[in-house]
Amino acid sequence: DAGVTQSPTHLIKTRGQQVTLRCSPKSGHDTVSWYQQALGQGPQFIFQYYEEEERQRGNFPDRFSGHQFPNYSSELNVNALLLGDSALYLCASSRSGNQETQYFGPGTRLLVL
Amino acid sequence: TQLLEQSPQFLSIQEGENLTVYCNSSSVFSSLQWYRQEPGEGPVLLVTVVTGGEVKKLKRLTFQFGDARKDSSLHITAAQPGDTGLYLCAGDRGTYKYIFGTGTRLKVLA
Repeated sequence: DAGVTQSPTHLIKTRGQQVTLRCSPKSGHDTVSWYQQALGQGPQFIFQYYEEEERQRGNFPDRFSGHQFPNYSSELNVNALLLGDSALYLCASSRSGNQETQYFGPGTRLLVL
Repeated sequence: TQLLEQSPQFLSIQEGENLTVYCNSSSVFSSLQWYRQEPGEGPVLLVTVVTGGEVKKLKRLTFQFGDARKDSSLHITAAQPGDTGLYLCAGDRGTYKYIFGTGTRLKVLA
């Protein structure tokens, strides 16, 4: 049983570019949450997707957008990248009805130059 | 504004010692979780506490949720090198939009 997988593992972009990160949830999970973890900090909630819709959103600008597909996988898109967007982006999946149990993927480390 | 403050930020101890990590807030949480994160990996859930005053034990780890559901502690007995990692608390206010603490980086020396 595969856990949460994320791709790519590492990514280097320049300011102003756009990036798409991908997440496949754990088998049987239908809810995907995205977090940003800056170096030396705890993760910060970006948004959560369920039934292909954004259900909740944290304090992030509209440059951060996402999508969930019918197979429950999800994408995180960030437009007009800033240096401050450099971070580890974590995806967590859970099952509706048991959302307190989240499983995290290994993350995508994004470096913006 | 950081809603969940953890202390200490860093902790380096010898194998066999005991330690306590604290997670404090001025806000009330419906539940609070503790995670451990190792380099290159995502956080792994250790425990969820939901009732004020609740105490949960996981082998050598003891977790407590404050009576007012604003704070929590993690106590490790006889620490081992395998306990090394970043310990994170995360609170939920009933929406499953988890707020993570600042983290405590623990290093246990053999």
